[in-house]
Amino acid sequence: TQLLEQSPQFLSIQEGENLTVYCNSSSVFSSLQWYRQEPGEGPVLLVTVVTGGEVKKLKRLTFQFGDARKDSSLHITAAQPGDTGLYLCAGQSGAGSYQLTFGKGTKLSVIP
Amino acid sequence: GAGVSQSPSNKVTEKGKDVELRCDPISGHTALYWYRQSLGQGLEFLIYFQGNSAPDKSGLPSDRFSAERTGGSVSTLTIQRTQQEDSAVYLCASSLAGLAGHSRRTGELFFGEGSRLTVL
Repeated sequence: TQLLEQSPQFLSIQEGENLTVYCNSSSVFSSLQWYRQEPGEGPVLLVTVVTGGEVKKLKRLTFQFGDARKDSSLHITAAQPGDTGLYLCAGQSGAGSYQLTFGKGTKLSVIP
Repeated sequence: GAGVSQSPSNKVTEKGKDVELRCDPISGHTALYWYRQSLGQGLEFLIYFQGNSAPDKSGLPSDRFSAERTGGSVSTLTIQRTQQEDSAVYLCASSLAGLAGHSRRTGELFFGEGSRLTVL
């Protein structure tokens, strides 16, 4: 079973601060997705990264896939209260795999 | 509606009772997934459907759990003789193709809001 470890588990910051959350594994993933989940709702896809070393930007969010495709990071610049939520990474283990393995998530609170 | 619909949104049941959870995926999505999310835990994969077929049922925690999908659309997850450890949010997701033969990547999963199950 491939595991994805996310850190930190909880993060509480002031509005305007920068933060980085991490998603690490000892296994290689063919692709990795980041989702955000708000209370009472299902996760919503933010981005998919597929190439080692790939960097994708989504407004104030920057996603990076590690060169070896075993890890990923999400950096948020100038966090806003609207960024509050549970951030989940999910990896596809192989090109022929339909199954996504999810990490436990990072619960982010941005205080106004 | 345009999104994935799940019902009931909340279900409280007594230990030993059977429950059925329903998922209505986005129209045209051939792939359907069931996940379970317990407090403080990530999403645990349960089962995947491509059309009406379930290629892999190994994620189902025990033989008390079963799922079916009819007409390539609606899916039902059934839990028999519920136990307290079954309490969780059960999330359904659909995807346009899952892992289509021509695609190496799992498509975007669109999740429903989940069914929160509480077993007393």
